[in-house]
Amino acid sequence: GQQLNQSPQSMFIQEGEDVSMNCTSSSIFNTWLWYKQDPGEGPVLLIALYKAGELTSNGRLTAQFGITRKDSFLNISASIPSDVGIYFCAGLNYGGSQGNLIFGKGTKLSVKP
Amino acid sequence: NAGVTQTPKFRILKIGQSMTLQCAQDMNHNYMYWYRQDPGMGLKLIYYSVGAGITDKGEVPNGYNVSRSTTEDFPLRLELAAPSQTSVYFCASTYGGGSLDGYTFGSGTRLTVV
Repeated sequence: GQQLNQSPQSMFIQEGEDVSMNCTSSSIFNTWLWYKQDPGEGPVLLIALYKAGELTSNGRLTAQFGITRKDSFLNISASIPSDVGIYFCAGLNYGGSQGNLIFGKGTKLSVKP
Repeated sequence: NAGVTQTPKFRILKIGQSMTLQCAQDMNHNYMYWYRQDPGMGLKLIYYSVGAGITDKGEVPNGYNVSRSTTEDFPLRLELAAPSQTSVYFCASTYGGGSLDGYTFGSGTRLTVV
């Protein structure tokens, strides 16, 4: 099946630093999504990207949909302690009526005050 | 508006026991999904439903069953629990049809099979 390669697996950074993570796929997606998961909770949608080349921001977060439709990146500027968590990329193709998300394995972010 | 509600939050089962994980949404979403999340992994689709009375298998359906008798509820059934089913289970729902604004996850059920 389709797989997403997400990197890095984990990051340990200083508060105030910028963060960058990315996701690549062997196949194309119509939509790329970025989620954040806090301990004991379900994933929460951060940014959704619908068009190749699209660059979208949500506060300190910026994400881009790669031109080839096979990759996406997420940047977090000026990290703060509450950014700690696991970030997942997800690709979506509305083939037929399924609407199934394919998830990466996640990037675990730790922020040192 | 509670969103997606999952019960129980935690459960320990013995091998061979059965149980039902409950999922309910109050957003009138057509599409509902069950995912499992193993340690250090992303979520994998178990089953999904595009409307009441319609269900289909996802990537990892073996050992599970679902039903969708109403729009609101989408229970997941484990008939003969196995250690390989130890995982965190997430239910999600969305309007579907390309609308992602309402793709909402529940807070999960942590299941341990011993």
